[in-house]
Amino acid sequence: EAGVAQSPRYKIIEKRQSVAFWCNPISGHATLYWYQQILGQGPKLLIQFQNNGVVDDSQLPKDRFSAERLKGVDSTLKIQPAKLEDSAVYLCASSLAWDTDTQYFGPGTRLTVL
Amino acid sequence: QQQVKQSPQSLIVQKGGISIINCAYENTAFDYFPWYQQFPGKGPALLIAIRPDVSEKKEGRFTISFNKSAKQFSLHIMDSQPGDSATYFCAASNTGKLIFGQGTTLQVKP
Repeated sequence: EAGVAQSPRYKIIEKRQSVAFWCNPISGHATLYWYQQILGQGPKLLIQFQNNGVVDDSQLPKDRFSAERLKGVDSTLKIQPAKLEDSAVYLCASSLAWDTDTQYFGPGTRLTVL
Repeated sequence: QQQVKQSPQSLIVQKGGISIINCAYENTAFDYFPWYQQFPGKGPALLIAIRPDVSEKKEGRFTISFNKSAKQFSLHIMDSQPGDSATYFCAASNTGKLIFGQGTTLQVKP
């Protein structure tokens, strides 16, 4: 079974530029999560989708971050414009359903904002 | 109330020794307590998990001890191996939303 795929793996941008990350969850997984992991910290949930609907986006900085999950499969997370403090690893995870506890994580995208 | 506090921040253990990592939580609504292992450049991977209706769960060399009254849980790694060197995160959740601890970097010396 293929795992969660993410791209790109690394991205370096200047502050105020925009960037987008892509995630392909495990086939059949209805729930998709985006986490932000700042160096030396645990992952922090940004947004949770159930199929193509948002379940929880309370921690998403909506003035600059946006995410979508079209057709309930792949998802994109966008930052526009980026700030220095957005430098982090962005992790995508998926699970069978919103109340299924086991989440499977992708390898992440390491973003550096200069 | 949504925080999960993890200690120690780093840990060095000799090969064959026991590694112990502790976590504490406040929210009594949490009903699922997993431990994740993360290697450099990789995403976290589920190691072992427990629900609050049991006090201990063992899978191979990994054991979770859970103290509901104290709102604490811990990971014990028996016979620690150099391949166990990684960052370990405890987490707690309610309805699928995981709250992670700060992480513990474990180094197992040969």
